[in-house]
This record gives sequence, C-alpha cells and structure tokens, in this order.
Amino acid sequence: KAGVTQTPRYLIKTRGQQVTLSCSPISGHRSVSWYQQTPGQGLQFLFEYFSETQRNKGNFPGRFSGRQFSNSRSEMNVSTLELGDSALYLCASSLGYRLDEQYFGPGTRLTVT
Amino acid sequence: GESVGLHLPTLSVQEGDSAVIKCTYSDSASNYFPWYKQELGKGPQLIIDIRSNVGEKKDQRIAVTLNKTAKHFSLHITETQPEDSAVYFCAASGNQFYFGTGTSLTVIP
Repeated sequence: KAGVTQTPRYLIKTRGQQVTLSCSPISGHRSVSWYQQTPGQGLQFLFEYFSETQRNKGNFPGRFSGRQFSNSRSEMNVSTLELGDSALYLCASSLGYRLDEQYFGPGTRLTVT
Repeated sequence: GESVGLHLPTLSVQEGDSAVIKCTYSDSASNYFPWYKQELGKGPQLIIDIRSNVGEKKDQRIAVTLNKTAKHFSLHITETQPEDSAVYFCAASGNQFYFGTGTSLTVIP
C-alpha cells in the first residue's frame, strides 16, 4: 500500500506571495492532518480534515487554510507569506476514528525569502 | 489544552546499550500515546504506540511503558544500533495530537 505523498517536496517563495501544498493520504484513510515543523517549536498542529470538513484547528492565523476533496486528498494554502512561515510542512493521514494511528508523509520544505 | 514535554533534548549512548526517553503529558483525558522516529530529510515514522488501557507494549527491541497516575510514558530501546540514531517524538492524543519537541538520540559505534 502506498504511503502518504506530498507535493512539492521543496518550495522557495518570496515574502507576500501565497503557496498551495498538496497531500495524498494512504488509500482508505479519510482524515488528513497538517503540521508545521520548525527547529524551535517542534511539531505544531495546523488543522485536521475528515470527510471534506475541518474537524479540528490549531492556533494559527487565518492566513493558513486548507481543504479536503471527495477523494480525501487535501491541500493547504498560506497567503501573504512571512519569513517566519519557513518550515517543514507535514501531513498525516489516518482512518479518522479516535485513537487511530497517524502516518506522516515526507513533508514539503518551504523557504520564504 | 494538552501539554507534552520531553525530559531530554539530546541523548547519547554506546552501541549495544539501552536508551530510555521519557515524556510527560498534562491532560488526563489523553488516551493514546504514539512514538515517532524522524530521520534527516524524512517525515516522522510511527514506531510504537500505547493506549491508556495498557501499561506496557513491546515490539522486538522497542517497548513503551505508560504510567497514567504520574502522567508519563517512556520509550525503551534495547541493544541500540547506529541506525537507531534519529530524533524521537512522543505525542499524546485525545481529540487531536499534541507533540513533544523531540529528543535527538545518537548511538556511538
């Protein structure tokens, strides 16, 4: 069974631009969660989508948004990029029930200059 | 909300020795505790997990123990090998996952 895939793997953007990242979950998984990973803050939860609905949300500004499609693939968007948005963005998929294992993708390394 | 803390940011052990990484959590409602291993340039990989109705779980050289009273759980790696060198993350989950900041384990050959 294929794992979680994320595209693109690397991205360089300029401050003020916007960016869209994509995540394809493991086949059969209906939940996709997004995390921001930085050296100083560790893994910070952004949001979780289940059956095309946002089910949980972390403490990030409204510039960070996401959506999920009927095939469970998910995208996250960051508008008006800031230098501090430079990070590894990870998505994780699970079946969607409580206490389910989450499986991570390789991440998208975003650099904002 | 939940708060998850790792006791050691770094840990070095000699090859063949055991390594123990301890994690604490604050929310008594948390009931699922996974451990992830992250190697350079890769996403976190689930290596073992434990649910709150179990006190210990073992998978070959890796084990996890849970102390619900003290609100901490630990990852135990026996007979460490150089390929065990990585960053290890603990997490606690109720409605969402809360991650610790990670412990960098170095196994010295």
